[in-house]
Amino acid sequence: KNEVEQSPQNLTAQEGEFITINCSYSVGISALHWLQQHPGGGIVSLFMLSSGKKKHGRLIATINIQEKHSSLHITASHPRDSAVYICAVSWYGGSQGNLIFGKGTKLSVKP
Amino acid sequence: DTAVSQTPKYLVTQMGNDKSIKCEQNLGHDTMYWYKQDSKKFLKIMFSYNNKELIINETVPNRFSPKSPDKAHLNLHINSLELGDSAVYFCASSHHGTSGANVLTFGAGSRLTVL
Repeated sequence: KNEVEQSPQNLTAQEGEFITINCSYSVGISALHWLQQHPGGGIVSLFMLSSGKKKHGRLIATINIQEKHSSLHITASHPRDSAVYICAVSWYGGSQGNLIFGKGTKLSVKP
Repeated sequence: DTAVSQTPKYLVTQMGNDKSIKCEQNLGHDTMYWYKQDSKKFLKIMFSYNNKELIINETVPNRFSPKSPDKAHLNLHINSLELGDSAVYFCASSHHGTSGANVLTFGAGSRLTVL
């Protein structure tokens, strides 16, 4: 069992829908990262958070440290949001940047 | 442009060869990393390196050796390449702050194919 679990693995949505991707982890963490990997392969860091909630444009990330759970929400989804979304955690006791990655959620947004 | 740049983007080579992938960042970050993404798209940390310390992930074979001539560069050298080394290798960098982990900036990736 991976220390970082994401759900769903695959997600298909219609343009305009509200999307939620979930991430659960089993280790103590110092921070949680949400990454986006485009179909072309490039990886972009969307959020890094250790508590509460962050918002950037149509993207919202939340984390509940007690429940060891984070969610990534996309409002008013658009086909350009189609990508793989990866949750990763920086764990206590690990060296800096020693991230543990989830397996990713592949999102397809249909026009 | 400020960025993390990797070269080459694609590398095709024969088993047993030695190859290097170069990474440079001009973001002024003090920490750099190598990650491996396997055929199932699963990412794993290989190395992290900052001004003071090279951190070696114990699951990485010693055929892999990072080399950092300065804090803006972290190259990955691979000896005696094996079929299982075929993957996409991502370089990344961040700035180490008092809170520990910081936002990562990734390179575009280097796809290595071992024949």
